[in-house]
Amino acid sequence: SQTIHQWPATLVQPVGSPLSLECTVEGTSNPNLYWYRQAAGRGLQLLFYSVGIGQISSEVPQNLSASRPQDRQFILSSKKLLLSDSGFYLCAWSLGQPASEAFFGQGTRLTVV
Amino acid sequence: AQSVTQLDSQVPVFEEAPVELRCNYSSSVSVYLFWYVQYPNQGLQLLLKYLSGSTLVESINGFEAEFNKSQTSFHLRKPSVHISDTAEYFCAAGGTSYGKLTFGQGTILTVHP
Repeated sequence: SQTIHQWPATLVQPVGSPLSLECTVEGTSNPNLYWYRQAAGRGLQLLFYSVGIGQISSEVPQNLSASRPQDRQFILSSKKLLLSDSGFYLCAWSLGQPASEAFFGQGTRLTVV
Repeated sequence: AQSVTQLDSQVPVFEEAPVELRCNYSSSVSVYLFWYVQYPNQGLQLLLKYLSGSTLVESINGFEAEFNKSQTSFHLRKPSVHISDTAEYFCAAGGTSYGKLTFGQGTILTVHP
């Protein structure tokens, strides 16, 4: 069966510090991968998605970047965190079809102080 | 373009009472609809989905949702809620390329004893 791992679960970082969140998927090949950010009362906002190694699409302009160095690995990064980057970040995968459901990791609570 | 609107940000109910969480969507493409549930500080879990066929779909824990094309709605219902149903619920629409989902703002369901 497929599983998705996301870490760390919580993270407190000072403003201006770098960020690296990692997500890996097991049990499937060539998944579509997604990074969402969740803000209270505003649902989930899609930040990035990837359809293959090295292929990254950004949905919104921001201080973050994403990379996919391996088929089942997806990384969310920042060179210098802002206070506004605080939030709950969720990694997800799907088969990439219009009717595909998404499967989510457990999320990372990022607090920038 | 797609959009999903959840009409209630918070729904408080007493245990064993019925509940309805409302969701409306707009889409210019074939739409596939999902309900996800999120417990505190966790990822999202799929509750049920509508892809085609019968407009009434059910989950294993007693929730059901009805796809209504004329009213562009996909409301979630349960005839008798439990304390353990306390969570945030998200309605989502698929049908676009690359398996991207559009989420509503979320509804926090609080079940009181």
